Amino acid sequence: GEDVEQSLFLSVREGDSSVINCTYTDSSSTYLYWYKQEPGAGLQLLTYIFSNMDMKQDQRLTVLLNKKDKHLSLRIADTQTGDSAIYFCAESIGYGGSQGNLIFGKGTKLSVKP
Amino acid sequence: GAVVSQHPSWVICKSGTSVKIECRSLDFQATTMFWYRQFPKQSLMLMATSNEGSKATYEQGVEKDKFLINHASLTLSTLTVTSAHPEDSSFYICSASSAETNEKLFFGSGTQLSVL
Repeated sequence: GEDVEQSLFLSVREGDSSVINCTYTDSSSTYLYWYKQEPGAGLQLLTYIFSNMDMKQDQRLTVLLNKKDKHLSLRIADTQTGDSAIYFCAESIGYGGSQGNLIFGKGTKLSVKP
Repeated sequence: GAVVSQHPSWVICKSGTSVKIECRSLDFQATTMFWYRQFPKQSLMLMATSNEGSKATYEQGVEKDKFLINHASLTLSTLTVTSAHPEDSSFYICSASSAETNEKLFFGSGTQLSVL
């Protein structure tokens, strides 16, 4: 079945870049997403990339997609303490299907040290 | 961005009782709402999809008589866990979308259910 894998923890120093990696198995993925979950808050959509793109940049966030290797990464430049959160990678399956039918990874807990 | 409010944030109940969780879209009309469950250290798993005014579509392995979903209006969906048991203890989270949000999902803050 479909599976999304990501490492569980990442620790960086304030000001450094953070790179969170994700691998997925379903080659028919249409969109791939990064969500952020802060303590006590709902999931917040950070960014997404369509499967025919290689890269997307949005301010401090850079998403890289290697479709051949089914590898997705999220780079956060100049990481701040406010970036400390759990980051979920997710893929949506199939065209025209429910956008809610997302397959999520288990989340990467990013800890930013001052 | 659009706001989805989920209530309660946490609930503790006795085994055998029923628990209702509400999910409201505050500033948009949600034609579609989704319910997820997350066990500790596990991924979010889609339980069901509900469209306003019609019956929910449940994912394989999710008991529809156990997890009752009602989406009676464009701003409210409810999930009722009937005759809850300790194995139902989990984190439940809803999301909503519509043409107003360009079908983007907006999530509630989740409900931690603990069944004693």
